[in-house]
Amino acid sequence: GENVEQHPSTLSVQEGDSAVIKCTYSDSASNYFPWYKQELGKGPQLIIDIRSNVGEKKDQRIAVTLNKTAKHFSLHITETQPEDSAVYFCAAGFAGDMRFGAGTRLTVKP
Amino acid sequence: EAGVAQSPRYKIIEKRQSVAFWCNPISGHATLYWYQQILGQGPKLLIQFQNNGVVDDSQLPKDRFSAERLKGVDSTLKIQPAKLEDSAVYLCASRSLPRKTKKLYGYTFGSGTRLTVV
Repeated sequence: GENVEQHPSTLSVQEGDSAVIKCTYSDSASNYFPWYKQELGKGPQLIIDIRSNVGEKKDQRIAVTLNKTAKHFSLHITETQPEDSAVYFCAAGFAGDMRFGAGTRLTVKP
Repeated sequence: EAGVAQSPRYKIIEKRQSVAFWCNPISGHATLYWYQQILGQGPKLLIQFQNNGVVDDSQLPKDRFSAERLKGVDSTLKIQPAKLEDSAVYLCASRSLPRKTKKLYGYTFGSGTRLTVV
């Protein structure tokens, strides 16, 4: 089955800096790669996703890149703000079968 | 649209007791998932339903965990008897069928039930 590794486990940046979180996956059949943001006491919330036929996708300050050959994908957050502080999860899979990474705790210092 | 509803929000029980969690998915979402999220880890799939049928329960500890989705809408997840290592947040998620939307969408998660077994 699919195995997803995510790093770093914790990331601290100054407000306004960029943050990058990286994930690798093992199953070449995976074709869907979402990213979730989880705030304290809440369920994960989808923030951006990318499909295997696309190499990059951007939504305002958030972007995701996918390298299918190397089986890795990354989340990029630019101009970070304190409200970006949360735990971020990547996931990989296909159809209804997804596996999650262990999460990255992002702290944005004012 | 209303989100995925879960109850209770918190539950504290003693080991060997039983507990049940309830989930009401987004209206019209045929696929429903139960995930277990242990502190500091990513969500781990326990069971997936398509309407009222089980699609994948390979990671469900069937000696103590059970789940059902009668009528293909609400779902309940039960643990009996509970162990200390069952302490976690239990997340329910739902998703519409890809072929209806012709797209793959991420799941919509509920806020979860935090279970503490003492």
